[in-house]
Amino acid sequence: QLQLQESGPGLVKPSETLSLTCTVSGGSISSSNYYWGWIRQPPGKGLEWIGSIYYSGNTHYNPSLKSRVTISVDTSKNQFSLKLSSVTAADTAVYYCARHRYGVCDFDYWGQGTVVTVSS
Amino acid sequence: QSALTQPPSASGSPGQSVTISCTGTSSDVGYYNYVSWYQQHPGKAPKLIIYEVTKRPSGVPDRFSGSKSGNTASLTVSGLQAEDEADYYCNSYAGNGNVVFGAGTKLTVL
Repeated sequence: QLQLQESGPGLVKPSETLSLTCTVSGGSISSSNYYWGWIRQPPGKGLEWIGSIYYSGNTHYNPSLKSRVTISVDTSKNQFSLKLSSVTAADTAVYYCARHRYGVCDFDYWGQGTVVTVSS
Repeated sequence: QSALTQPPSASGSPGQSVTISCTGTSSDVGYYNYVSWYQQHPGKAPKLIIYEVTKRPSGVPDRFSGSKSGNTASLTVSGLQAEDEADYYCNSYAGNGNVVFGAGTKLTVL
């Protein structure tokens, strides 16, 4: 059974960089046809796609966040990571990692989510 | 890209059917047959219940069905049950690797 687990600091100061890692277990991050994505959900609000990466390193980012987002992959550790720079209070959210097929965007396996609060 | 439009709320009595709409544009919902639906209970991660407009993952009851007409996709929940009370989100492929989500609909079982 594929499992995803987010990890990283729960508190980030304004203007700093948010860094999260998603560890994949029960399957290989190098599986063909699957992308690995980050989605966030501000308190009481809806889901927002942040971006996705293929095991080869090919990435796609939400145009509204593209200037601040970097997603990377480490196939040796079966992990992928998110960096979001210059954070503000508006970046406070539950951050999820999930798997999907390219183009189909069917996020079928999700992590449990991790709360990140931006505050001084 | 703009978020897909969903009604903020929907409701129905046990045993009834309810339909939730998801409206996009000719560049996402209207162009691609890649609309998915997710069910999210409070404090939980979303769960995929429909993909490619009409397909159900293994284990999802056939009470959940999807359809699409033009720029609008729809999720129908038939034979409403108490456990169907949750938030429902749609998403669509929007081209060039982009994904767009709907704002979500809170389904209440009366």
